[in-house]
Amino acid sequence: DVKVTQSSRYLVKRTGEKVFLECVQDMDHENMFWYRQDPGLGLRLIYFSYDVKMKEKGDIPEGYSVSREKKERFSLILESASTNQTSMYLCASSLEGAGANVLTFGAGSRLTVL
Amino acid sequence: EDKVVQSPLSLVVHEGDTVTLNCSYEVTNFRSLLWYKQEKKAPTFLFMLTSSGIEKKSGRLSSILDKKELFSILNITATQTGDSAVYLCAVEGNTGNQFYFGTGTSLTVIP
Repeated sequence: DVKVTQSSRYLVKRTGEKVFLECVQDMDHENMFWYRQDPGLGLRLIYFSYDVKMKEKGDIPEGYSVSREKKERFSLILESASTNQTSMYLCASSLEGAGANVLTFGAGSRLTVL
Repeated sequence: EDKVVQSPLSLVVHEGDTVTLNCSYEVTNFRSLLWYKQEKKAPTFLFMLTSSGIEKKSGRLSSILDKKELFSILNITATQTGDSAVYLCAVEGNTGNQFYFGTGTSLTVIP
């Protein structure tokens, strides 16, 4: 069964802390994505990556960075967490191909910043 | 600006009812439209639609796409409490595998 695994389901951090959210996929997908999901706002794209060491900003990259050192792993980093980054974070992956693609999601990481 | 709009935002029905969820879109270089179901965990894939007028069906769920009028509907017949979830609509554009999401429809099915 193909999977996208997010390392932490629930995290509580303090303002100013550095936060790492890890995501691993076992499907050999080229594309990986980080979204945040907030009530009434839907899913908003933070960053995506289409290859190792490659990254593209999404709609709301401010306050975030990402790292993709290996094809299967895509990390989201909050350099200095703030309360407005309290949210559900969803990682996803997809194949790169000429045809239509399906996004496969991880279970999500719910981050609370105090 | 590319956008996806879902309606209604929320819906409460009784078991056995039939519901229709709507998704309209304005996305440059449309590639596909996807429906997902999200309970308190990862969104799970339901349907991918790429061609107009061809109904996709899975049990009590079905969906159809109208590429001329730029919308899709998701139908659920004989609803059950297990259908309670947020239903997400996403449209894939043709640039860099961009996916545009609606805000979702929250469906609650009461016994």
